[in-house]
Amino acid sequence: GAVVSQHPSWVICKSGTSVKIECRSLDFQATTMFWYRQFPKQSLMLMATSNEGSKATYEQGVEKDKFLINHASLTLSTLTVTSAHPEDSSFYICSAPEGQADTQYFGPGTRLTVL
Amino acid sequence: GDSVTQMEGPVTLSEEAFLTINCTYTATGYPSLFWYVQYPGEGLQLLLKATKADDKGSNKGFEATYRKETTSFHLEKGSVQVSDSAVYFCALSGKGYSTLTFGKGTMLLVSP
Repeated sequence: GAVVSQHPSWVICKSGTSVKIECRSLDFQATTMFWYRQFPKQSLMLMATSNEGSKATYEQGVEKDKFLINHASLTLSTLTVTSAHPEDSSFYICSAPEGQADTQYFGPGTRLTVL
Repeated sequence: GDSVTQMEGPVTLSEEAFLTINCTYTATGYPSLFWYVQYPGEGLQLLLKATKADDKGSNKGFEATYRKETTSFHLEKGSVQVSDSAVYFCALSGKGYSTLTFGKGTMLLVSP
């Protein structure tokens, strides 16, 4: 099946710095990608929808200036956490639909720890 | 808004035991329902889905039936294996065909 990768798989950074997370569709093109955030023992919460060639659509309550999304090509979307703080520590997961709109392929996730 | 509630884990079973993981949902309209599985160290994978009432999704011995009257989509397997140990997520697609709302996930641990 289709494969989605994420890089890095984990990252530790100091408070105030910015961190970029990449999401790639390896064997298919994705005009749309989704970014989720998962807290321990909690649901995956949709943060934003990344659209190739246009602005991302953010869910209510998600700060678009803090979580910058760029969908530069049909196989790559990036999430940049700007001026990260400890409360941004979480597990970030991306997904992309391929073919049928209701079948999504998920990346393995990125564990962000902000000290 | 849309929501999904699934039983808390971990669920601990012996190999060949019967599995049920309960899932109920709240949604407007007629959502599609999904079960995703996450094996250790891997991404979420679609396990099965159902798109309308009374549909039964099945895959790898797992089954779930879309019950509109009880707003449920319980996951079942007749005989679990150690390799089924993973976290299982119930999800629905409501607003926007590709937008998913997830339950909290249920960890399944199967011992030999």
